[in-house]
Amino acid sequence: SQTIHQWPATLVQPVGSPLSLECTVEGTSNPNLYWYRQAAGRGLQLLFYSVGIGQISSEVPQNLSASRPQDRQFILSSKKLLLSDSGFYLCAWSVMESTDTQYFGPGTRLTVL
Amino acid sequence: KQEVTQIPAALSVPEGENLVLNCSFTDSAIYNLQWFRQDPGKGLTSLLLIQSSQREQTSGRLNASLDKSSGRSTLYIAASQPGDSATYLCAVLDNDYKLSFGAGTTVTVRA
Repeated sequence: SQTIHQWPATLVQPVGSPLSLECTVEGTSNPNLYWYRQAAGRGLQLLFYSVGIGQISSEVPQNLSASRPQDRQFILSSKKLLLSDSGFYLCAWSVMESTDTQYFGPGTRLTVL
Repeated sequence: KQEVTQIPAALSVPEGENLVLNCSFTDSAIYNLQWFRQDPGKGLTSLLLIQSSQREQTSGRLNASLDKSSGRSTLYIAASQPGDSATYLCAVLDNDYKLSFGAGTTVTVRA
C-alpha cells in the first residue's frame, strides 16, 4: 500500500532563517506531487506541483521554492523565512493525470517568530 | 480562477441531529468534486468523490450531491455523533488536474 511521510511534524524558526521540509511517498511510482499551505481560517492554497523529477510548477509567487531530486521525494525550501510563511504545510500525491483523489500527508506546522 | 465557498463556516449541533454542509464553486468545468475531513492539526482524509458525470455518492451515513450546472454540492451527515466533530473541506478538480479548496466548515457535535 502507498504511504506518504512528512517531516518534521512541527517547526519553530526565527525570521530570516532557512527552511527545508521534506515529503516522501512509498508504494507508488511516478506520482504527481503537491505542496499546499493552510493558513488559519483559510482553505488550502496550492504552492507547487510536480509531474516528474526536476519538473516544478509554481502557483503563487512567494518566498518559497520546491525541488524534486528523486521520483518520490519532494522538498519545500526557503532561504529566508518571513512571518507570513507561518502555517500548516501539507504534501500530497496522486496518480499522474488521474481524476482520482489526492492523498495527503500528516502535515508540518511551521511557526515563524 | 476557480473560487470555492463553503457555508456555514462553523456549525454546532446536538448528537443525533442531521448535518447539512454546503459548497459552491464558480467554474463548472471540473473533473470531480471531493469532500475531505480534517481533524485538528492533522492531514486530510478523503470522504467522498463525485465525478462530474455523477449526481451523488453515498458512504454509510454520508451522502454528497453534485449539481455541476449550478456549481453546488451538499454533504449530508445523518444521525451525527461526537466523533463527527472535525473540519470538512470541499475541493474541486479543475481540467488541469489542480484542486481548489474551500475554507471549510468546522463541525461540533455535542454529546
